[in-house]
Amino acid sequence: DAGVIQSPRHEVTEMGQEVTLRCKPISGHNSLFWYRQTMMRGLELLIYFNNNVPIDDSGMPEDRFSAKMPNASFSTLKIQPSEPRDSAVYFCATLAGVNTGELFFGEGSRLTVL
Amino acid sequence: GENVEQHPSTLSVQEGDSAVIKCTYSDSASNYFPWYKQELGKRPQLIIDIRSNVGEKKDQRIAVTLNKTAKHFSLHITETQPEDSAVYFCAARRGGSYIPTFGRGTSLIVHP
Repeated sequence: DAGVIQSPRHEVTEMGQEVTLRCKPISGHNSLFWYRQTMMRGLELLIYFNNNVPIDDSGMPEDRFSAKMPNASFSTLKIQPSEPRDSAVYFCATLAGVNTGELFFGEGSRLTVL
Repeated sequence: GENVEQHPSTLSVQEGDSAVIKCTYSDSASNYFPWYKQELGKRPQLIIDIRSNVGEKKDQRIAVTLNKTAKHFSLHITETQPEDSAVYFCAARRGGSYIPTFGRGTSLIVHP
């Protein structure tokens, strides 16, 4: 398996633009997580899905952020409109099941909002 | 909810020395404690984990210890090498939960 695949790896955009980050999980992994990483706040959990259903989105900072998982092989995180404070690395991670331990992270999407 | 504190935030050692990173957790129901290593510009990757029915686990130069009574766990790296330089994250997860709570990370610098 190629692991968790994220795109784009780097995105530079201007304030107010819409940003869509994409994630392809490892096949068979039932849980998918979106994290945001910054120097100031470390690794923050934004939202997680179990069997394609959003379970906990309490970490989503505000209504500008939305996430979907239309099927078991694809998820998106959308920011509209983007702001400079959204600049961060966004990681997608997957877990095989509640009885397993390891989170498998993608390579991350580095977002810069000017 | 769970709260994980990690110390120190930065650790600088000479090659060959040992390094110890400590974490405390608040939720007594936590029973799974992984450690992740994140090299510069890369993704976090699991390096070792421990479950609450075990007090210590070793894998070559790294070891993790767990004190359930005191609710703290530590990562020990012996004979450090420059390639050990990275940010290390501890985490804690309660039984039946999917979500680990991460510490803020420790930046380990190993000087040749």
